[in-house]
Amino acid sequence: DADVTQTPRNRITKTGKRIMLECSQTKGHDRMYWYRQDPGLGLRLIYYSFDVKDINKGEISDGYSVSRQAQAKFSLSLESAIPNQTALYFCATSAPMGAGGYSDTQYFGPGTRLTVL
Amino acid sequence: AQKVTQAQTEISVVEKEDVTLDCVYETRDTTYYLFWYKQPPSGELVFLIRRNSFDEQNEISGRYSWNFQKSTSSFNFTITASQVVDSAVYFCALSDTNAGKSTFGDGTTLTVKP
Repeated sequence: DADVTQTPRNRITKTGKRIMLECSQTKGHDRMYWYRQDPGLGLRLIYYSFDVKDINKGEISDGYSVSRQAQAKFSLSLESAIPNQTALYFCATSAPMGAGGYSDTQYFGPGTRLTVL
Repeated sequence: AQKVTQAQTEISVVEKEDVTLDCVYETRDTTYYLFWYKQPPSGELVFLIRRNSFDEQNEISGRYSWNFQKSTSSFNFTITASQVVDSAVYFCALSDTNAGKSTFGDGTTLTVKP
């Protein structure tokens, strides 16, 4: 089984609808991230969470919200979807290093392809 | 602010050619990590390598090698004797150990033709 899973894998929705993308991990990592990928723009960070009580905005958080329900679960919501939120969304976790620090190596889920019509 | 530049948007080579993917970064931090990730046509993102800013040794893993030069703020990736299966988008990334998040380049699309 995959260590980082995302549901749904594909979603088509209409403008104005509320959408939730879910991410679960079995890696035991406490850091989780949401990115979006647009053609030619690489990966851009939407939100990240260092533990259940710590949520931080990334570079493109407008129009999105998140919920860290448990260490293993991190959900991304689009309150009112718009067409320019059509993209590939990735969840990731980050691995701690042995000495207690973080290198921020990212382990990615398979991605969710979201289309907003 | 951190920045990662992958100036090569697309590269096309013929199988068995060597190819180098360039990555130039900007950071004010003295401690940081650099990464390369691979995204094959199937879409998943796969971690390839991590390099600590204090470790400038080059690394070789099979047909892959990485050249880290702090003096030029570069972390280039070379594939020797490329194969069709190497066709993918490759991302370079920079991590600020204090902020705990990564900045990604825009990626280089490598196409290896048979």
